[in-house]
Amino acid sequence: GQNIDQPTEMTATEGAIVQINCTYQTSGFNGLFWYQQHAGEAPTFLSYNVLDGLEEKGRFSSFLSRSKGYSYLLLKELQMKDSASYLCACMDSNYQLIWGAGTKLIIKP
Amino acid sequence: ETGVTQTPRHLVMGMTNKKSLKCEQHLGHNAMYWYKQSAKKPLELMFVYSLEERVENNSVPSRFSPECPNSSHLFLHLHTLQPEDSALYLCASSQEGPWSGGAADTQYFGPGTRLTVL
Repeated sequence: GQNIDQPTEMTATEGAIVQINCTYQTSGFNGLFWYQQHAGEAPTFLSYNVLDGLEEKGRFSSFLSRSKGYSYLLLKELQMKDSASYLCACMDSNYQLIWGAGTKLIIKP
Repeated sequence: ETGVTQTPRHLVMGMTNKKSLKCEQHLGHNAMYWYKQSAKKPLELMFVYSLEERVENNSVPSRFSPECPNSSHLFLHLHTLQPEDSALYLCASSQEGPWSGGAADTQYFGPGTRLTVL
């Protein structure tokens, strides 16, 4: 079956760096998405990776290794407003999105 | 209005009620989606429309009935729901039809309707 694994919850300190991992097992691969979702709000698009390597967007970076079925989202200089759930979603060979359950990130002062 | 909007934001209904959820996208996209989001579970895709035609129905119970009158509007009609249907219902849209591949499949979400079935 197809599966996306990511930690349920993580805690980090304001100003620090945190890495949220995502591993996937899918039938084929056509890209991986990261979304941020604040409680009670819409998921918002953060990044899309289809090639191996690191993509940087300001304080957020996303990494992909297709050979390892692995991605991570790196958040630098953490701010309180980064407290949210982070959703990993993988597109399989049929271009269907397979979603992870999300990682709830708690930022402490 | 910009982006994807959904109404109502909150809905409480009894099991015998009939209600409808509304979604509107202002992005000029060609595809629209309904998802169910339950606590600590992955998003569940319910329905997909591409250019107003339904292209995917992931074995959703018939008590959920979608309607897409045009490429900007999407409805989810609800009747005789069960308490386990209580969840956040999210609408999304994407530029190209679903499964076109690549960044054009990026989905943009509305804020959702928090549904409680008593």
